[in-house]
Amino acid sequence: RKEVEQDPGPFNVPEGATVAFNCTYSNSASQSFFWYRQDCRKEPKLLMSVYSSGNEDGRFTAQLNRASQYISLLIRDSKLSDSATYLCVVISNDYKLSFGAGTTVTVRA
Amino acid sequence: GAGVSQSPRYKVAKRGQDVALRCDPISGHVSLFWYQQALGQGPEFLTYFQNEAQLDKSGLPSDRFFAERPEGSVSTLKIQRTQQEDSAVYLCASTLRPGYGGYTFGSGTRLTVV
Repeated sequence: RKEVEQDPGPFNVPEGATVAFNCTYSNSASQSFFWYRQDCRKEPKLLMSVYSSGNEDGRFTAQLNRASQYISLLIRDSKLSDSATYLCVVISNDYKLSFGAGTTVTVRA
Repeated sequence: GAGVSQSPRYKVAKRGQDVALRCDPISGHVSLFWYQQALGQGPEFLTYFQNEAQLDKSGLPSDRFFAERPEGSVSTLKIQRTQQEDSAVYLCASTLRPGYGGYTFGSGTRLTVV
């Protein structure tokens, strides 16, 4: 079983729509959580950290449920530029990022 | 430099050939990571350096893979006797504070073994 599991999608949504997706992680001792964004043929880039209390960054909202070991990302008012693969990332020891396989989002005009 | 620099950007190797991939991390970043990303998958951990010390090589898939960082800055990932299953993007990342979110990735080396 992979340490981080994600719904691969794809999620195909119109501009202005809200899209949300989750990932689950297997190691209950995991201590840090992130969403990274990866554009086609590019490197992953940090989108946002995920905190236990939930956090927002503009149109993006991340939630963490430690009891159920899942993380969510919600994108409001989708833009064409939000089309990308979103990678769920967990740190379970002091240093190693563990990635999910990614959720593909396509925003259409 | 301003970011993590990797070279070459693309590499085509014949099966059985040895390859060397270079990573130049952000200046001052003591922690350096190598990841392997197959098509349609998330990056998979290969190895981790703290300065020149290789603290974790648990992700290296076989003894054909070898990584070094002799002076604690530039790192090289070497793959001996390449095989088709080695075809992937090899990503390097560095950070000042491992365990936190500030990991910066290079653009990667896309290796194709034919």
